[in-house]
Amino acid sequence: GQQVMQIPQYQHVQEGEDFTTYCNSSTTLSNIQWYKQRPGGHPVFLIQLVKSGEVKKQKRLTFQFGEAKKNSSLHITATQTTDVGTYFCAGRGVTGGGNKLTFGTGTQLKVEL
Amino acid sequence: EADIYQTPRYLVIGTGKKITLECSQTMGHDKMYWYQQDPGMELHLIHYSYGVNSTEKGDLSSESTVSRIRTEHFPLTLESARPSHTSQYLCASSRVNTEAFFGQGTRLTVV
Repeated sequence: GQQVMQIPQYQHVQEGEDFTTYCNSSTTLSNIQWYKQRPGGHPVFLIQLVKSGEVKKQKRLTFQFGEAKKNSSLHITATQTTDVGTYFCAGRGVTGGGNKLTFGTGTQLKVEL
Repeated sequence: EADIYQTPRYLVIGTGKKITLECSQTMGHDKMYWYQQDPGMELHLIHYSYGVNSTEKGDLSSESTVSRIRTEHFPLTLESARPSHTSQYLCASSRVNTEAFFGQGTRLTVV
């Protein structure tokens, strides 16, 4: 079945440092989504990428979708304490009508002052 | 705020009991999902549905069952709860190829 891995599993940074998490799928994806889950909360949608090689920005966050549509990355510039949480990518396969939404293993970000 | 609701929020139950976790959404979404998540860990897809009377097992083997008799309702049932079922269960819904909205989750403890 489809597997989606993320690295690193954990990341501690000092406030102001940059942060990147990488997402790799075992199969080609029709699209990739990114979610943020705060401690004790539920995942909240951040963005969706659809096109091969697509790059999207949201303020300090930059999202990329790989050319082969099997990998993606999220980069945060100059982290802030409000960025704390776990970041998940989630993908839909190209087969099966895209009905199944498989989440990555997640990267837990901690930001220290 | 997303219109997807899960009940109960917290549940402590004895081993061997039958339980049903409720999930309802008022957005008219065709797709619904159940995920199991231990604290601070990844989300495991255990069931999904792409419409009324259409359900599939997810990537994680689960002893639970689901039904989708109405578009807005996607309950999950455990026939005989065990301590290994202790976890958080998250329900989500989406339209075709769009973002998923999550409920607040049910934290289940089986003693």
